[in-house]
Amino acid sequence: AQKITQTQPGMFVQEKEAVTLDCTYDTSDQSYGLFWYKQPSSGEMIFLIYQGSYDEQNATEGRYSLNFQKARKSANLVISASQLGDSAMYFCAMRDFAGGSQGNLIFGKGTKLSVKP
Amino acid sequence: NAGVTQTPKFQVLKTGQSMTLQCAQDMNHNSMYWYRQDPGMGLRLIYYSASEGTTDKGEVPNGYNVSRLNKREFSLRLESAAPSQTSVYFCASSEQDFEAFFGQGTRLTVV
Repeated sequence: AQKITQTQPGMFVQEKEAVTLDCTYDTSDQSYGLFWYKQPSSGEMIFLIYQGSYDEQNATEGRYSLNFQKARKSANLVISASQLGDSAMYFCAMRDFAGGSQGNLIFGKGTKLSVKP
Repeated sequence: NAGVTQTPKFQVLKTGQSMTLQCAQDMNHNSMYWYRQDPGMGLRLIYYSASEGTTDKGEVPNGYNVSRLNKREFSLRLESAAPSQTSVYFCASSEQDFEAFFGQGTRLTVV
């Protein structure tokens, strides 16, 4: 069955430092996509970065990069040079077509990141 | 460019009442989703629709029904609301291999 696991309920990081948010996934499909979203205290869901299962290079978007280790089924988000505005909930998500799914998008439970000045 | 629009933004229901949450997207996406978000539980998929005319159950479908009225609209209905359905509800849409875009959410309280 599809599953996304985020093992860190909360994380602290000092401003300007880098931080890694962990995400592991489980799927029987060979073709899948991995996503990270940010949810600030205002509540909206903001897309950050995407990694396809066949992408050979790790995805990067500005200060965000995705450390994709396919054999370990992990897709960790790395935020470089943390800013106070990075304080938010972060969700890892996966879309695949395993088990007859038509491509539903499932989420982990999230990690609350707090950036300290 | 509105993106995904959900209505209402807030709602208080009494136990046993019914209501429909509306969702519309203007991005011509095939896939649409309904999630609920509860503290410590992340976003849990209630129902999704891969294309107009199709719907499928997600992780937590009990107590809900959906209608994919057309390509733009995907509604979520609570036939007999229960306090356990107090939550924040999100609608989202996407194309198959791309990111999902979310509505602003509906905060529902059932008393």
